[in-house]
Amino acid sequence: QSALTQPASVSGSPGQSITISCTGTSSDVGGYNYVSWYQQHPGKAPKLMIYDVSNRPSGVSNRFSGSKSGNTASLTISGLQAEDEADYYCSSYTSSSTYVVFGGGTKLTVL
Amino acid sequence: QVQLVESGGGLVKPGGSLRLSCAASGFTFSDYYMSWIRQAPGKGLEWVSYISSSGSTIYYADSVKGRFTISRDNAKNSLYLQMNSLRAEDTAVYYCARAGLVATLDCWGQGTLVTVSS
Repeated sequence: QSALTQPASVSGSPGQSITISCTGTSSDVGGYNYVSWYQQHPGKAPKLMIYDVSNRPSGVSNRFSGSKSGNTASLTISGLQAEDEADYYCSSYTSSSTYVVFGGGTKLTVL
Repeated sequence: QVQLVESGGGLVKPGGSLRLSCAASGFTFSDYYMSWIRQAPGKGLEWVSYISSSGSTIYYADSVKGRFTISRDNAKNSLYLQMNSLRAEDTAVYYCARAGLVATLDCWGQGTLVTVSS
């Protein structure tokens, strides 16, 4: 059981927008603005896509955006492209002794 | 460019030990927190451990606490993970990652596979 809850899968057609949710508690997502999102293609290492809830690292497309409301963070991908098909993981700082928690991951399928 | 290269993975029997290494290049290693994350076959990411830039602050996941030890050698630009009392459930690809900001992993290695099996 992961500490953060994500949907197992989402799908969308090219050009559409999708949103992936990430639900935690007031000890992690809701209490701090330290939510990150990672993209992982099969057999590859994860790649940072969003940090501090809504910031994009240099080089990440502006089609990717992040937000947070209460204990739930969200990743939105607009203008879906075939290469966006991947697994997406959220993570958050946590005030517990473990420091970082991940979500269980969401498989994005581009139809 | 920033590069992280893990090594030391392999097949080990339950109860055995293994030491993973991560060689860093392309950035000032001693300025950054570092972390180990693992991914069991077909499963999601699991954060394992975290070490501050000086090595004075360390965190562990409950699942490895007391069995794994993270360390670093800033003179050698290297990160380590000593894994003892290994169990089948420790089987995973182990990634090292740079922690650029609070709880943010901004650069990852390609991973090294650890298999615990008799």
